[in-house]
This record gives sequence, C-alpha cells and structure tokens, in this order.
Amino acid sequence: KNEVEQSPQNLTAQEGEFITINCSYSVGISALHWLQQHPGGGIVSLFMLSSGKKKHGRLIATINIQEKHSSLHITASHPRDSAVYICAGRGEYGNKLVFGAGTILRVKS
Amino acid sequence: EAGVTQSPTHLIKTRGQQATLRCSPISGHTSVYWYQQALGLGLQFLLWYDEGEERNRGNFPPRFSGRQFPNYSSELNVNALELEDSALYLCASSLGRGAYGYTFGSGTRLTVV
Repeated sequence: KNEVEQSPQNLTAQEGEFITINCSYSVGISALHWLQQHPGGGIVSLFMLSSGKKKHGRLIATINIQEKHSSLHITASHPRDSAVYICAGRGEYGNKLVFGAGTILRVKS
Repeated sequence: EAGVTQSPTHLIKTRGQQATLRCSPISGHTSVYWYQQALGLGLQFLLWYDEGEERNRGNFPPRFSGRQFPNYSSELNVNALELEDSALYLCASSLGRGAYGYTFGSGTRLTVV
C-alpha cells in the first residue's frame, strides 16, 4: 500500500462542473502539498497546508488531520484546468515529499 | 523574481555516459530538492541539499550524486547511465529546513539511448 493514495486516477468533467480530488495518507506528515503538472512536465505548487482550508481563486484545499485525508476542489471547472493533480505529504522528519500517483483531469468544453 | 531554473531543458546521452543537470533556486532559498519522474511512474524523491550539505537521500544507487554550491545552486550527476534513467528530473527549492512551500523548476528531460 502506498503511503499517499489519490482518487480518482482519471477524471473527465464538463466545463462548469464542481470537481473533487481526494488524497489519503498513512504516515505522519508535517504538511500536505497539492501540485499541478501540465503536459510537458512543469509543476506548479498550488497549496501547502497543515490544517483547515485554503482557497485560491476557484481552487479550494482542505485537510483533516485526524482522518489523514485531504481534498482539492475546483469550482466552475474550465478546460484550462486540465492537468495532472498530485498530492504529496511532507515528512515529519526531514523535508522530502512522498507523492501520490496523481489524478489526470480532463475538462471538456 | 526569477523562478527555479533548470538546465538543460533536454539532454540526450548514451548508455554508460555521465549526465550533469543544473538547478538555480529562487533567490534567498537555501534548500534544493531533486526528484525523478520516470515514464509511467510517479515522482520519486532523489536528494535534498540545504546550506551546502546533503540532508537526505532517496532510494537510488550511488551513481546518482550531486552537490550544492555556495550560491545554493545545485548539480545532479548521474554516472554510468542506464536506459531506465530516462526520465524527467525536477528540481525544487524552498526557504530552508522548516515547513516552507516549494517552488518547482520546469525540469530536465533526460533520454538515455
């Protein structure tokens, strides 16, 4: 079992839909990161959170420490949101990230 | 402000050769991380440098090595290249050893033929 699990693996949505990507982790972490990777490989860090909820534009990230679970929500999805979304746990000791396998999101117009 | 810059963007090497990848962190960031993303696989942690020292290492053979320079830029060296080393190598930087956010570079795509 991977230390960081994401679901779903693939997600296709219609433009305008509300999207949720889930991330569960089985190890202690000091923070959880949500990353976005576009075709070609470049990665953008969307959020880093260790408790509660963060919002940036149409993106919302939440984390429940007790349940070891985080969600990334996209409101009013748009084709330009199509990308791979990756959650990563930052270890309690040392700074290395442990990554989920990623969720491939495709938003159709 | 310049982001994390990696060079080269693409690199083609022959099996058995050595590859050197470079990373310049954001100004003021002292920590540099290297990750490998092989085709069909997820991101894997390779190395972490902070203040010129190797702080942590992932589960990779010793032919993967690197260093961090006094200006906090970093090199990743891969010796005796194997075909399965073909991957996207991503560098990230952060302010230091605390719980700071990461900024990723665009990566170097290494192809071993």
